[in-house]
Amino acid sequence: ELKVEQNPLFLSMQEGKNYTIYCNYSTTSDRLYWYRQDPGKSLESLFVLLSNGAVKQEGRLMASLDTKARLSTLHITAAVHDLSATYFCAVGRSGGGADGLTFGKGTHLIIQP
Amino acid sequence: DARVTQTPRHKVTEMGQEVTMRCQPILGHNTVFWYRQTMMQGLELLAYFRNRAPLDDSGMPKDRFSAEMPDATLATLKIQPSEPRDSAVYFCASAETSGEFIYEQYFGPGTRLTVT
Repeated sequence: ELKVEQNPLFLSMQEGKNYTIYCNYSTTSDRLYWYRQDPGKSLESLFVLLSNGAVKQEGRLMASLDTKARLSTLHITAAVHDLSATYFCAVGRSGGGADGLTFGKGTHLIIQP
Repeated sequence: DARVTQTPRHKVTEMGQEVTMRCQPILGHNTVFWYRQTMMQGLELLAYFRNRAPLDDSGMPKDRFSAEMPDATLATLKIQPSEPRDSAVYFCASAETSGEFIYEQYFGPGTRLTVT
């Protein structure tokens, strides 16, 4: 059974600090997805990582993928309050994603002034 | 701006009643997924369709849940009879599939279901 584990599950940090969220998965997959969810809202796609060594950056967020270690990271640089949300990583059930995604439990991120 | 739409956005019903949730995928997307989100279980895949054909519904309780796609612009998820443990947010997502790969899934706004 495919397992996707995120840590930490809860993170409270101060504005201006840096932090990393980790996502481990149990299957061989060369693509991984990161989503953001605000309270009461839907999931918003942040990054699609398509191969080993992939790195993508958008503003203060940077995601990377190491398929050999089955590990993805989401790094937050100089956090701002607007980044407070729950972040999910997800892996395709059979790698490619066409048969659906398995999600981690999510990391609830609170950024305080 | 193409997006997935879902109706209703909120539904409160009594135990034993039938509930039908609807989803309109993005035009041109050939794959539709239904997910359920709860605090305890997180996000779970319930079922999915490709080119309107059901490919996997193993995530659904078979005795009470059914999913259909009567045409390319409408997917439905029905619960009959509903139970309090069905209370959750139900998301529909659509994607364009090439072989075993998708680039990205686009999620609808969700239907928040409360069964009393």
